[in-house]
Amino acid sequence: KQEVTQIPAALSVPEGENLVLNCSFTDSAIYNLQWFRQDPGKGLTSLLLIQSSQREQTSGRLNASLDKSSGRSTLYIAASQPGDSATYLCAVPNDYKLSFGAGTTVTVRA
Amino acid sequence: EAGVVQSPRYKIIEKKQPVAFWCNPISGHNTLYWYRQNLGQGPELLIRYENEEAVDDSQLPKDRFSAERLKGVDSTLKIQPAELGDSAVYLCASSFRNRNSPLHFGNGTRLTVT
Repeated sequence: KQEVTQIPAALSVPEGENLVLNCSFTDSAIYNLQWFRQDPGKGLTSLLLIQSSQREQTSGRLNASLDKSSGRSTLYIAASQPGDSATYLCAVPNDYKLSFGAGTTVTVRA
Repeated sequence: EAGVVQSPRYKIIEKKQPVAFWCNPISGHNTLYWYRQNLGQGPELLIRYENEEAVDDSQLPKDRFSAERLKGVDSTLKIQPAELGDSAVYLCASSFRNRNSPLHFGNGTRLTVT
């Protein structure tokens, strides 16, 4: 069974600092990894999807890397802003069924 | 494009009562998912549909939960009777039938069973 872990569970940084969020998974036989953002009381918004053939994916201030062999992915958010405050979840598929981590809750202080 | 639409947003019921959730996926998305999210945890899959066929319902507690996706578009998830432990957020998601297609989630229904 795929286990997905996100550490730390919570993170607080001052505005402008770069964010580094970690995700680890136990079964490296994945074909992609997705990062999502969840605001309080809302659903999940897909941020980035990295296919297994890629090592990283970028969208604006967001950059996600994937190292399948070590079972790790990292989401970098450059120059954080208060609007980046949310919970970030990573997910890996097991035959169309996504296994999610519990998320890292980020607070960016103005 | 319009996103995944779910209703109601909130529902409070007493235990043993029935409840139903509705989902309208993004137009053209063949695959529809129902997930349950408990507080402080990631979502867990309940059921996945390909068009109108339930292709993975292994995590659905079939003694009290049921779902349908008539005509392969909208879907309804029902709980009867509800238990205290069913309190959670029920999320609907949809995607194209492509394993590298990202999932799009609705805002969910927050269920409280008293």
